[in-house]
Amino acid sequence: GQQLNQSPQSMFIQEGEDVSMNCTSSSIFNTWLWYKQDPGEGPVLLIALYKAGELTSNGRLTAQFGITRKDSFLNISASIPSDVGIYFCAGQPSNTGKLIFGQGTTLQVKP
Amino acid sequence: GAGVSQSPRYKVAKRGQDVALRCDPISGHVSLFWYQQALGQGPEFLTYFQNEAQLDKSGLPSDRFFAERPEGSVSTLKIQRTQQEDSAVYLCASSSRRLGLAKAGELFFGEGSRLTVL
Repeated sequence: GQQLNQSPQSMFIQEGEDVSMNCTSSSIFNTWLWYKQDPGEGPVLLIALYKAGELTSNGRLTAQFGITRKDSFLNISASIPSDVGIYFCAGQPSNTGKLIFGQGTTLQVKP
Repeated sequence: GAGVSQSPRYKVAKRGQDVALRCDPISGHVSLFWYQQALGQGPEFLTYFQNEAQLDKSGLPSDRFFAERPEGSVSTLKIQRTQQEDSAVYLCASSSRRLGLAKAGELFFGEGSRLTVL
């Protein structure tokens, strides 16, 4: 099925460092969302973006909806060990809830 | 419970067996989704219900896959004559939003049912 191009695939960083990951698509989306998935759990919503150019923060997380509506990025500042997990971007082509997910970015944080 | 509940959490089936996976959405959520997540991949859409109506089943990989939500609450995903390629985590998600409304993508996922077909 169709998937987004998410990068990097994995990151191994030191606690306290900032992290950046992004997602691109050949299709336009009305909504971009970022989810986090811990092992053995379902994805949990972190941030949702609804307007091209929108920049939204949630604590140490900041995400942007690309102006072309074909990309988005997620930044995590001052990483901590509990940030460990898999981060997925997801695009929604219309207001249906039918999401197209990226392949995920696995984040590991060294204390 | 407060969240989306799925059962069983783990299911091992022999090739050719039928399986049924259950999802209890958050109480009052009108929208319910099934996603399939293969190992190391992101979730892929299977089907969508608004109340008891199955409005989109475009993601179901074959006619061996069947989903229902007869009373607009609990849903069951059934896979007939399982094959090895069906091995995956099946995620159920619900939303309070109806089709076409903003924030319809803000989904609450369950923990998933991991299916292994031998």
